[in-house]
Parts: sequence; structure tokens; C-alpha cells
Amino acid sequence: DTEVTQTPKHLVMGMTNKKSLKCEQHMGHRAMYWYKQKAKKPPELMFVYSYEKLSINESVPSRFSPECPNSSLLNLHLHALQPEDSALYLCATQEGANTGELFFGEGSRLTVL
Amino acid sequence: GQQLNQSPQSMFIQEGEDVSMNCTSSSIFNTWLWYKQDPGEGPVLLIALYKAGELTSNGRLTAQFGITRKDSFLNISASIPSDVGIYFCAGQDTGGFKTIFGAGTRLFVKA
Repeated sequence: DTEVTQTPKHLVMGMTNKKSLKCEQHMGHRAMYWYKQKAKKPPELMFVYSYEKLSINESVPSRFSPECPNSSLLNLHLHALQPEDSALYLCATQEGANTGELFFGEGSRLTVL
Repeated sequence: GQQLNQSPQSMFIQEGEDVSMNCTSSSIFNTWLWYKQDPGEGPVLLIALYKAGELTSNGRLTAQFGITRKDSFLNISASIPSDVGIYFCAGQDTGGFKTIFGAGTRLFVKA
């Protein structure tokens, strides 16, 4: 059982829709991540939050907007996406800086029509 | 930017065989991680390595952190059908927040 919970598991949206992906953890980890993974490719880093502050943005288009309301929650707001944004979006947590291990959720499979 | 070269891309083996895969980098990493991912699921951590030269086992899995800090390997002994999946190496930089993934090794095990 994963201790990082992502919802929804599947999401289908049109290019004009606004939707959000959610991630929740109760491990007390202070770093939270969003990764994007296309089929047969490795996860690609999008955003890193450390102590609820955005510390890394890997030049992600503004149609993806992250939010960290508190230490347990991480959201990814989606607006005006393109079909090529269809992918598996993975949330991961880490105890803190320099502790190595990333723990992933099961992912949210996004399809943009 | 930093890149990891993971090989082989895929492996087709018979149940019971041993498997070896590795990752190399032009950059030094402080941490090496090995993950397994099943279809439609998130990656699951198998082994974490923190020290150059470190050799760590987890059941039938053994991984080593290269002494140059630029490479790592993962061995799976006596493979079984449930070992099927994609194995990713991942390196973490000195800052601790940027974890870079290799391209993955797809493992197929024939019973």
C-alpha cells in the first residue's frame, strides 16, 4: 500500500477545461514533487516544493500551476492543456533535503482530448 | 544537463536466470536509487545507495554505488515471473532535490 495518495486515478479533459490533480501524504515528509511520465519514458521532474515553498520549477509551461496548501497536500492545477500533455502524472515525497529516497504515488493518468 | 545512461534497454530471460543492469553518468551523484515500475503504477523503491563503494542487498536484489560516484549496477538473482517490469536507476545531486532517472530497463521473464 502506498502512503502517497493521488486522485483522481484517471482524468479525461478537453483543452478548455480546468481541472486539478491532488496528492496527499501523511509521512511528515517536507519535500513534495510532481513528475510527468510519457509512455515508455522515465519520469521527468516538473516541480519541487520544500517546506511548502516552490524550490524548483523545471521550466514547466504556465498551463500547469502547482500549489502546496499545507505540508500534507500538493495540487497541480490544469488549464488550457494540449493533447501532448496527456501522460501519467506522478507525485512523490521525500523526508527532506539530502535524504535520498523518493516515495511515489500510483499516479494520475491524464488524457487531454 | 545531467544525464544517466542505463543499459540494457530490454532483457528477455528465462525464469531462474540472473540479471544485471547498470547506469553510468558523466556527473557525480551523492545518492543512487533503483526503482521498479509496473504498468499503470508509480515507481516503487527497491534499493537506495548513499556511499561510494556501498554494496546493498534486498532479498534477491543487490546493488552497488560505484567508487567513482558516476555509476551503479543492479543484479537480480534467480529471476521469477513477477520480476517483469521496468527498472529505473536514479541519481540525486548534491542539493538533494533533483533526482534524475535513467531511461529504464524493460525486463521480460519467461516461465
